[in-house]
Amino acid sequence: QVQLQESGPGLVKPSETLSLTCTVSGGSVSSGNYYWTWIRQPPGKGLEWIGYIYNSGSTKYNPSLKSRVTISVDTSRNHFSLKLSSVTAADTALYYCARDREGLLNDWGQGTLVTVSS
Amino acid sequence: DIVVTQSPDSLTVSLGERATINCKSSQSVLFSSNNKNYLSWYQQKPGQPPKLLIYWASTRQSGVPDRFSGSGTGTDFTLTISGLQPEDVAVYYCQQDYNTPYTFGQGTKLEIK
Repeated sequence: QVQLQESGPGLVKPSETLSLTCTVSGGSVSSGNYYWTWIRQPPGKGLEWIGYIYNSGSTKYNPSLKSRVTISVDTSRNHFSLKLSSVTAADTALYYCARDREGLLNDWGQGTLVTVSS
Repeated sequence: DIVVTQSPDSLTVSLGERATINCKSSQSVLFSSNNKNYLSWYQQKPGQPPKLLIYWASTRQSGVPDRFSGSGTGTDFTLTISGLQPEDVAVYYCQQDYNTPYTFGQGTKLEIK
C-alpha cells in the first residue's frame, strides 16, 4: 500500500517561494503509469488541482498557477516536490500530494497547512 | 476549463433515508471512444484527505459500501447514498478528469437530521 507524506515550512512570507516535498513509501515514483499530483484546499473551502508530474518527467499545470508553479521529481529520494513562487495570502491552504492513475486520485497524503504571512 | 457545479451546497437527511447530490459540468465529460464518463465522486471527512468513492460516474471504488451509487452521463450526474449512516457525515465533491485542469465542484456538506 503506497503512502504519501507532505513536508515543508508551515509559514511562508509574501512574495517568497513555497516549497513542499511529498515522500512516497511503499511504491516508486519512477514506476507504473502514475501522475504525481499536488492539490490544495484553502481553509474551509474546496479543492483546487495544481498540477502533476508523470514518471517520465513531463508536467501539466493549472493555467491559473502555471507561471508560478514547478513540480519536479527526485527518483533517488523517491519524492516529488512543489514550488510556488511569489506567494500571497491567497495561497494559504492545506496542500495535498496524491497519486493519480488515469485521472483517479486514489492515494493521498494527510496534507500540510501552509500559511502565507509576514 | 470545465466548470463543475454541485447542488445543493448542504443537505440534511435522516438516518436510514436517502441523500441525493447533483453535479453538472459545463461541457460533456463523456469520452466517445470508450463511452466512459470521466466524473468521480470523493468523500471528505473533517481532518482527512478526500477519499475516492465512485469513478467513471458509476463504478464504485473497491471497499466502498454499496449504499453509495453514482449515475448520469454527459453533463449531469448524481451521487445517491441509500440508507444514510452516521459515518456518512462528510463533504462530498465531484470532479471531472476528462481534461486538465481537473476541476472539482464546490462541495456538498451532508449532515444528519
